[in-house]
Amino acid sequence: GDSVTQMEGPVTLSEEAFLTINCTYTATGYPSLFWYVQYPGEGLQLLLKATKADDKGSNKGFEATYRKETTSFHLEKGSVQVSDSAVYFCALRDTGGFKTIFGAGTRLFVKA
Amino acid sequence: DAGVIQSPRHEVTEMGQEVTLRCKPISGHDYLFWYRQTMMRGLELLIYFNNNVPIDDSGMPEDRFSAKMPNASFSTLKIQPSEPRDSAVYFCASRTGRKYNEQFFGPGTRLTVL
Repeated sequence: GDSVTQMEGPVTLSEEAFLTINCTYTATGYPSLFWYVQYPGEGLQLLLKATKADDKGSNKGFEATYRKETTSFHLEKGSVQVSDSAVYFCALRDTGGFKTIFGAGTRLFVKA
Repeated sequence: DAGVIQSPRHEVTEMGQEVTLRCKPISGHDYLFWYRQTMMRGLELLIYFNNNVPIDDSGMPEDRFSAKMPNASFSTLKIQPSEPRDSAVYFCASRTGRKYNEQFFGPGTRLTVL
């Protein structure tokens, strides 16, 4: 079945460092891909999405490109801030468009 | 819009008691999802509804768990009897039926079963 694999955390960075969180997926057909973020004590919220191959999603300085050839959707940010400390979830929407399948989440700590 | 509303935000109960979690989805959303989040198992989909009808309950851990959606603006997740291993954060989420649309999550209910 469809699945999402993302790098294990926690990831600890200093402020202004470059961030990459790897995400790969397995799916039949053409899924939509998402990154969600969860701040402490809150529910998940959408960070960005891409709906077809080579699409780039971006928001708040974060970017991810839908790479069908490598089945990847890696999250990047050029300069992280302390306020980016959170758990990041990679996810896909199956071809049928009903269920969203989430990765295990990657916790990011950013030190001042 | 107020977003997805869940109640209570925190629930502490004793083993064997019945627990009912409540969710009000965003108006106009025709899909509703219940998730459970724990450190050990991450985020698990328990059940989802489309137009108030349960579509897939394969994630419900056992018969002690049940979920209902009597109308488009209300859903419940019930655990009877509760056990300590049910301790987790339970999230409700909703979205419209369009394939690429995001899911909107509620703030969650933190359940502790003693």
